[in-house]
Amino acid sequence: DAGITQSPRYKITETGRQVTLMCHQTWSHSYMFWYRQDLGHGLRLIYYSAAADITDKGEVPDGYVVSRSKTENFPLTLESATRSQTSVYFCASSESDSNQPQHFGDGTRLSIL
Amino acid sequence: QQQVKQSPQSLIVQKGGISIINCAYENTAFDYFPWYQQFPGKGPALLIAIRPDVSEKKEGRFTISFNKSAKQFSLHIMDSQPGDSATYFCAPFLSGSARQLTFGSGTQLTVLP
Repeated sequence: DAGITQSPRYKITETGRQVTLMCHQTWSHSYMFWYRQDLGHGLRLIYYSAAADITDKGEVPDGYVVSRSKTENFPLTLESATRSQTSVYFCASSESDSNQPQHFGDGTRLSIL
Repeated sequence: QQQVKQSPQSLIVQKGGISIINCAYENTAFDYFPWYQQFPGKGPALLIAIRPDVSEKKEGRFTISFNKSAKQFSLHIMDSQPGDSATYFCAPFLSGSARQLTFGSGTQLTVLP
């Protein structure tokens, strides 16, 4: 089915572990985004990508790494997870960065113990 | 980061009533003013959006009112229904500035039957 899918939907891990959240979109949208959603903070942009091999930091990039070797995939890696990274993570895509809506996945709920 | 202030934080409305959510922003260059709707366990989805060359846009029971001089835009939900119970986010945007994407902190709307 066309759309944007995130995996896993739920993940529990321990501090210091590496964890990768996957995001896949079937629209061939140029732009992709990673957000985290925390109570009281709304959605905060972690990283975004304008095209394959082009990524840039958002508001809260520390502790995260992204890559985009293919247009349809935009994985987010926590290289050494910390408790403060416990959150719900959303991936989104859009056709362009000009007056276009973002299309969101259903999120990954990540708990770091 | 551009500041976006959304109010109220939570709103309880009787079925059939009018729900009003406000979003104040600082950057007068914003050129796209969307509202997103989010249900529990799901990602946000575009509800309605407006461009700064119009003062109002209506789609069914949902209306955006835009006040350029006050740097504010509002979401009005007429004849509110229990199915409208969700969290609503504003996310004013400037084309070409994906790095500065900022969402409001969200309004949790509850419509009582």
